[in-house]
Amino acid sequence: QVQLQESGPGLVKSSQTLSLTCTVSGGSISSGSYYWSWMRQPAGKGLEWIGRIFVSGGTNYNPSLNSRVTISVDTSKNQFSLQLSSVTAADTAVYYCAREVVRGVNLDYWGQGALVTVSS
Amino acid sequence: DIQMTQSPSSLSASVGERVTVTCRASQSISSYLNWYQQKSGTAPKLLIYAASSLQSGVPSRFSGSTSGTDFTLTISSLQPEDFATYYCQQSYITPYTFGQGTKLEIK
Repeated sequence: QVQLQESGPGLVKSSQTLSLTCTVSGGSISSGSYYWSWMRQPAGKGLEWIGRIFVSGGTNYNPSLNSRVTISVDTSKNQFSLQLSSVTAADTAVYYCAREVVRGVNLDYWGQGALVTVSS
Repeated sequence: DIQMTQSPSSLSASVGERVTVTCRASQSISSYLNWYQQKSGTAPKLLIYAASSLQSGVPSRFSGSTSGTDFTLTISSLQPEDFATYYCQQSYITPYTFGQGTKLEIK
């Protein structure tokens, strides 16, 4: 059974960089059958797709965040990571990592989510 | 970006009722439409992918259909565990986008 788990600071100061890691267990992140994705959800609001990475290192980002987002992968640790720079209060949200099936084009496994609060 | 518009935004229904949620895409997305269920405080769960394919382990009372750029999620007979928020998501092109959600509440 594949499991994903987000980890990282729950509190980040405004203008600094938010960093989260997603650890994948029960399967290899090096599989060519999946993308590895990040989404976020502000309290009481809907879901926003942030971006994704393939094992080769190829990435796609949401243009609304493009200049501030970096997603990277560490196959030796079976992890992938999100960095979001120059954060503001508007970046306060629950951040989810998920696995996207390449052929099915759906997000079939999700982490439990990590709340990140941006403080002034 | 492709806009996904869900309706209704909220819905009250009783156990045993048949319920329908609709999602409309702002342009053609073929069948690249997924449905997720999210219960309070938990991550979304994939229910339906490719508009009408049932994810493994999801009860058969859930079904999906499509007509052009309109997509429908149907729950044939509501069960107590189905009260949650439902989201559609287009996976036709990045940036992937979600509908605003439909909150299904107990009547």
